[in-house]
Order: sequence, then C-alpha cells, then structure tokens
Amino acid sequence: QVQLVQSGAEVKKPGSSVKVSCKTSGGTFINYAINWVRQAPGQGLEWMGGIIPIFGTPSYAQKFQGRLTITADESTSTVYMELTTLTSEDTALYYCARAQGPPRDWFDPWGQGTLVTVSS
Amino acid sequence: DIVMTQSPDSLAVSLGERATINCKSSQSVLDGSDKKNYLTWYQQKLGQPPKVLIYWASTRESGVPDRFSGSGSGTDFTLTISSLQAEDVAVYFCQQHYSTPPYTFGQGTKVE
Repeated sequence: QVQLVQSGAEVKKPGSSVKVSCKTSGGTFINYAINWVRQAPGQGLEWMGGIIPIFGTPSYAQKFQGRLTITADESTSTVYMELTTLTSEDTALYYCARAQGPPRDWFDPWGQGTLVTVSS
Repeated sequence: DIVMTQSPDSLAVSLGERATINCKSSQSVLDGSDKKNYLTWYQQKLGQPPKVLIYWASTRESGVPDRFSGSGSGTDFTLTISSLQAEDVAVYFCQQHYSTPPYTFGQGTKVE
C-alpha cells in the first residue's frame, strides 16, 4: 500500500523560504506524479504544482511561477516542495498527493499534511 | 483554466435525511474518446487530508458506503448522500482532471 509521509511543521519569517519533503513508500516511485496542494486555514484546496519523477520536469500553477520549486530524489523516493519569498498569505497546510495519470488522475493517497506558519 | 463551482457552500441535514451537493464546471470534463467524466469527489473530515469517494463522476471508490453516489455528465454533477450518518459530517470537494495543469477544485461544501 502506497504511503506518503511529510516532514514536520515549520514556522518561518516573512521573506524567507520553506522546504517540505514528501517520502513515498510501498509503490513505484518514478512512474507516478506527486502533486502539492495547499489549504489555507478554513479555506479550500489549491493545486500548486507537481512532478513525475521519471520525467523530472515539474509543472507549476501560474500563481506560484517564479517562487515554487518541486524536485524529486529517486534514491530516497522523496519529493520536495520549496516556496520562497514567504508572506503571511502562505500560512497554510501543505499536502502532497499521488496521481496515477490519465484516466486515473485523481489524488490518492495524500500525505498527512505539513503546517507552515509565516509570522514575524 | 476550468473553474469548478459548488453549491451550496454549506448544508445542514438531519440524520437519516438526504444530502445533495452540486458541482458545475466552466467547460465540459467529458473525455470524448473514453466517454469518462474526469470528475472526482473528495470527503475531508476535520483534521484529516481529503479522501476519494467517487471518481469518473459516478464510480464509488472501494470501501465507500453505498449511501454515497455520484451522477452527472459534461458540466453538471451531483454528489448524493442518501441517508446522512453522523460520520458523514465533513467538507466535500469536487475536482476536475480533464484539462491539466492546473487541477482545479470546487470551493467545498460543508455538511453538518
């Protein structure tokens, strides 16, 4: 059974960066996309970007172009999400989630979530 | 980008009663080749990540109780809980994966 385990909560200052990890286990790592979705407090779900490790080229939501970097490390089956130039509006729960690709391109499973708090 | 709009934003339902949630996409999510609607319903309980309930608009995920059903095609979809149980209190989201990137979600419907 595939499991995604994320790194722990982070508290960051405005203007700084955060890097969150998502380690996969129990399945093939390189063939499936890992996506990042965030959820601000009391809000909905927002897709940020994703990567298929075998291809290596990430895709990003336009909103995050220029300050989001998603990378994959095949040796440890881990995907990383780095967001720079943080503001208070980046305070959110960040999830990673796997997608199998068309036509089974829904997100399942999900990581447990990583709370990122941006505060001075 | 495909915009997903859910209604209502929140819904109060008595135990044992029916709950109906609507999701409308700004363009069709029906794939012409395989005739599948690329529309997924998720359930998110408090403090948990989302969980897949329904995929391809109407296929129930393994282990999901049969009181949950999905219907619709093209741009208009419905999630129905036929007899609400206490454990169904959650926020429900629809998501399209027809035209990506980006993957887009509805704003969520809170069922209480």
